[in-house]
Amino acid sequence: GAVVSQHPSRVICKSGTSVKIECRSLDFQATTMFWYRQFPKQSLMLMATSNEGSKATYEQGVEKDKFLINHASLTLSTLTVTSAHPEDSSFYICSASPSQGLAVTDTQYFGPGTRLTVL
Amino acid sequence: GQNIDQPTEMTATEGAIVQINCTYQTSGFNGLFWYQQHAGEAPTFLSYNVLDGLEEKGRFSSFLSRSKGYSYLLLKELQMKDSASYLCAVRDAGNNRKLIWGLGTSLAVNP
Repeated sequence: GAVVSQHPSRVICKSGTSVKIECRSLDFQATTMFWYRQFPKQSLMLMATSNEGSKATYEQGVEKDKFLINHASLTLSTLTVTSAHPEDSSFYICSASPSQGLAVTDTQYFGPGTRLTVL
Repeated sequence: GQNIDQPTEMTATEGAIVQINCTYQTSGFNGLFWYQQHAGEAPTFLSYNVLDGLEEKGRFSSFLSRSKGYSYLLLKELQMKDSASYLCAVRDAGNNRKLIWGLGTSLAVNP
């Protein structure tokens, strides 16, 4: 149980284009999903907390107009990197916390990540 | 401020036991998590402690002392596949479910 999928796993795009990353909880409902970014050999950096049916909460320093988050259902959250630039190249990982029903509450289960390369 | 400390790197031998320590200073506490992350992959959940004491799960155990702001992850019978980064994370107080992450401990298991 507690499987989270992420799509695509890898994307290469040109500078100035927008990229959408999907995060799905496959076997549980998730009121809350999280979006992280991780640079090589560094720890996870929380970008935003995504709440179903409401606006995402962004961490300090993260541009909400550049990283658009939509959490339209209890199993799907999307992150759109708008007008991507080479400095946005990173490993983007989502996680989801089950709304109810699992033994360990509030555990975050991670998707496999999306490696974004902006040329 | 919020601070989580863990050693940057550790080395151990296959078959041995290794203990990875984590100390934290956070404004609130609502549980401590350990995750394993292999290079290029997403973290996977290992353990969760919210009360003081030891939680054992197979070869992995995790200990928590809330009064000392201290936890450790104990890995027994080390295998080569245990070479990975181990992340300590504290759940913030309140209802936002946000985790405060340490920088991770890179463990190398040698034959």
